[in-house]
Amino acid sequence: DAGVIQSPRHEVTEMGQEVTLRCKPISGHDYLFWYRQTMMRGLELLIYFNNNVPIDDSGMPEDRFSAKMPNASFSTLKIQPSEPRDSAVYFCASSLGQVSTEAFFGQGTRLTVV
Amino acid sequence: DQQVKQNSPSLSVQEGRISILNCDYTNSMFDYFLWYKKYPAEGPTFLISISSIKDKNEDGRFTVFLNKSAKHLSLHIVPSQPGDSAVYFCAASSGQNFVFGPGTRLSVLP
Repeated sequence: DAGVIQSPRHEVTEMGQEVTLRCKPISGHDYLFWYRQTMMRGLELLIYFNNNVPIDDSGMPEDRFSAKMPNASFSTLKIQPSEPRDSAVYFCASSLGQVSTEAFFGQGTRLTVV
Repeated sequence: DQQVKQNSPSLSVQEGRISILNCDYTNSMFDYFLWYKKYPAEGPTFLISISSIKDKNEDGRFTVFLNKSAKHLSLHIVPSQPGDSAVYFCAASSGQNFVFGPGTRLSVLP
């Protein structure tokens, strides 16, 4: 397996524009996580899914953020409208979801909102 | 309120010596702990883990110690190598999600 695949690797957009980040988890993994990394807050969990169903979205900062998982092999994180303070690296991760297993991370999407 | 804390933002160690990275947690429901390593422009990669039923787990140069009563864990790297220079994240789990600390940047000096 190629691991968790995220696209794009880099995104530069203007304030107010819609941004869509994409993730393909490892095949067979039941859990998918979206994290955001910033200097101030480190790695913070935004939302996670189990079998394509959102389980906990309490980390989603505002209504401008939304995430979907239409099937087991694809998830999106959308920001609309984007703001400069959304600039960060966004990571997607997946795991088998069994007790005592680790999460595998993608390479991240570096988002810059100008 | 941070549930997982890494109070040292950075650490410098001489090559060949021991690196000790520390992590504290507040939630007593956490029962599985992990360390991840992150290089610039890459995603975090899993390094080593420990279950709450153990107090030590070793994998080559890496050993993780868990002190449940103190809610503290540490990662020991010995001997340290320049390639170990990276940001190390401590993470904890009580179910299916993972809570990460802010990270410690380790620099191993040749």
